[in-house]
Amino acid sequence: ILNVEQSPQSLHVQEGDSTNFTCSFPSSNFYALHWYRWETAKSPEALFVMTLNGDEKKKGRISATLNTKEGYSYLYIKGSQPEDSATYLCAFNVNYGGSQGNLIFGKGTKLSVKP
Amino acid sequence: DGGITQSPKYLFRKEGQNVTLSCEQNLNHDAMYWYRQDPGQGLRLIYYSQIVNDFQKGDIAEGYSVSREKKESFPLTVTSAQKNPTAFYLCASRTHGRRIDEQFFGPGTRLTVL
Repeated sequence: ILNVEQSPQSLHVQEGDSTNFTCSFPSSNFYALHWYRWETAKSPEALFVMTLNGDEKKKGRISATLNTKEGYSYLYIKGSQPEDSATYLCAFNVNYGGSQGNLIFGKGTKLSVKP
Repeated sequence: DGGITQSPKYLFRKEGQNVTLSCEQNLNHDAMYWYRQDPGQGLRLIYYSQIVNDFQKGDIAEGYSVSREKKESFPLTVTSAQKNPTAFYLCASRTHGRRIDEQFFGPGTRLTVL
C-alpha cells in the first residue's frame, strides 16, 4: 500500500515567522509530486507540481524542494501572514507504466498564522 | 469563468436512501475524479473517469456508483449499500495527456446521513 506522510499535522505560528513542513512519499515508481493549498470554505488550489530530483519551485513567499531518491519534499513559507492560514496537502503521482497515475494524498498540514 | 461546480453544498439523507451528488466542469477537461474526506484522513479516491462513457473504481468504490455520459458531468450516487456515507465529497478534473497537470477541485458537498 502506497502511503504519503505529512508532518507536522498542525502548526501554529506568529505573523512574520518562517515555517516549513515535510511530505514523505515512496521513492520507487515516482512520477510527480503535487502541493495544494486548501483554505477553509474554498476549493483546494494547486501550488506546485514537481517532477525532477533536486527541483525547487517558488511562488511569492512559498517555495518547495524535491528529493525523489530519498522520497521527501519540503514546503517553506517565508514571513508567514494570516492569509497563509490553510491546510497544505501533498499528493504523489505513481508512475503508471510511464504515464501519470492517480494522486495519493497525505493527510495535510494545517497552518494557523496569528496576527 | 471556467471552473468546477458541485451541488448541493450540504445534503442530508435518511438512512437507506440513495442520493446523487452533482459535479459539472466547463474547463474542457477529459479526466474527472471523486474523492471523499473524513476527519483526520487524506483525500481518498472513490471513482475516476478519463474519458466519456468510461470510468474506473478507485480505492473505496464500494457503495458508490458513477456515470460519465457527457464530458462536462460526472455525477456520484451514494447508495444505501455504503455503510458510512457521512463525509465531505470533492470532485476534481484535469486534462488527460502526456503533460503532468494539476487537478482542479470543486467546492465540495457535505453529506450527512440522519
